[in-house]
Amino acid sequence: NAGVTQTPKFRILKIGQSMTLQCTQDMNHNYMYWYRQDPGMGLKLIYYSVGAGITDKGEVPNGYNVSRSTTEDFPLRLELAAPSQTSVYFCASILGQTSSTGELFFGEGSRLTVL
Amino acid sequence: KQEVTQIPAALSVPEGENLVLNCSFTDSAIYNLQWFRQDPGKGLTSLLLIQSSQREQTSGRLNASLDKSSGRSTLYIAASQPGDSATYLCAVKNQGGKLIFGQGTELSVKP
Repeated sequence: NAGVTQTPKFRILKIGQSMTLQCTQDMNHNYMYWYRQDPGMGLKLIYYSVGAGITDKGEVPNGYNVSRSTTEDFPLRLELAAPSQTSVYFCASILGQTSSTGELFFGEGSRLTVL
Repeated sequence: KQEVTQIPAALSVPEGENLVLNCSFTDSAIYNLQWFRQDPGKGLTSLLLIQSSQREQTSGRLNASLDKSSGRSTLYIAASQPGDSATYLCAVKNQGGKLIFGQGTELSVKP
C-alpha cells in the first residue's frame, strides 16, 4: 500500500514554462487536495476534489489548474510558471465525509523552484 | 470565508513544562478539526482529529479540545520533551470538504 505518491520530488522551471505535478493515491479515497507551503508559513489550499469529475477552487487557485478524471489521480498543472510559484507542494487525501477517522494522508511533497 | 489563526507563531519552553497551543477559526460550521505535526523539511503527521460533535480527544501526552461556538481549539502538551520540537498546525474541514490550515506554531523545547 503506497499511500499518496507525488512526482517529481524536485523540479526547477524557467519563467513561462509549464509543468504538471502528479498525485496518485491507492487507498480509494474520495477527497483529494493540493496545498502549497512557503517558508515559515502554513499550508494554503490551491484546489480540492470531493470525487472523480468534481473539482473546486481553494484559497490560492490563480495560476493553477487541476483535473480529476479518476478516483486515484489528481494532477496539478502550472501554466506559465512565475517566481511567485516557487514553493513546496503537498498532495493529500481523505476517504470521505463518512470516514470514521477522517485522517488526512499526505504525500512527501514536491519542491518547485521557478527561476 | 473560513480563516484559521494560530497563536503564538513561535514558542520556546524548557523541558518538562506543560504548554497550550491555540487555534481559532471564523466559521463555526465545521465538520472536524485536526492537529498535525511537521518536522523541518518533512511532510505532515496527523496527531489528533476531533469531530464537530466532540469536545476533546486524547493521545498519550496530547489533549486537543474543541469549542465550536467560540471558534477555538487548543492542543495541550503535557511534560514537554525536546523531541516535541516541531511546527504544529491545525486544520478545519467544512461540510463541503474544504480543508483550511492555520499558519502553524513553531515549538522549541529546550533541554
